Amino acid sequence: SAVISQKPSRDICQRGTSLTIQCQVDSQVTMMFWYRQQPGQSLTLIATANQGSEATYESGFVIDKFPISRPNLTFSTLTVSNMSPEDSSIYLCSVPITGNIMNTEAFFGQGTRLTVV
Amino acid sequence: GDSVTQMEGPVTLSEEAFLTINCTYTATGYPSLFWYVQYPGEGLQLLLKATKADDKGSNKGFEATYRKETTSFHLEKGSVQVSDSAVYFCALRTGRRALTFGSGTRLQVQP
Repeated sequence: SAVISQKPSRDICQRGTSLTIQCQVDSQVTMMFWYRQQPGQSLTLIATANQGSEATYESGFVIDKFPISRPNLTFSTLTVSNMSPEDSSIYLCSVPITGNIMNTEAFFGQGTRLTVV
Repeated sequence: GDSVTQMEGPVTLSEEAFLTINCTYTATGYPSLFWYVQYPGEGLQLLLKATKADDKGSNKGFEATYRKETTSFHLEKGSVQVSDSAVYFCALRTGRRALTFGSGTRLQVQP
């Protein structure tokens, strides 16, 4: 298993500002994933963050809005930029834990509950 | 691309009732299949998984069987408890990709 620590756990932010969410893992992992869970909805993948390279963004998500850093194999940050109320969501980081690659499951942080007012 | 379809919720049951939450998928290749659970106010937790056809995942009285012929991975429990009230997500993963989630099904168990 893995222990994933996300900070902050929640925040209330003013529109137009930015928030940086941190994700710390207790083991080295090649890939880290960032998801968004809008109120009452499922999880949508924002981007995949690999150490030493640019993050890969899913359709509908762009680097200017959600810049990601991945400075080492245990840490990543996601910034939600120029926030609007539509960005109010839970943001989660996730890491795959490898054994046989087809058996990999994913572990999730507790999430950051963001409310934009 | 990959997708997961779950039955709409909420599902409301009485304690000790039988539970089925349907999940079907489309995927390229041979996915691994998962059920995740999100209890109120908590993070997402893996409930069970299956990695190949006919595998049965089980945990905490919940079961799901990987049915390749029907591309399904239905979640079942013989006797639900109030403590099972949560949101359940079916998910799949192919290769090195991130998980693809279904829309989630909220289960409410009444005493």
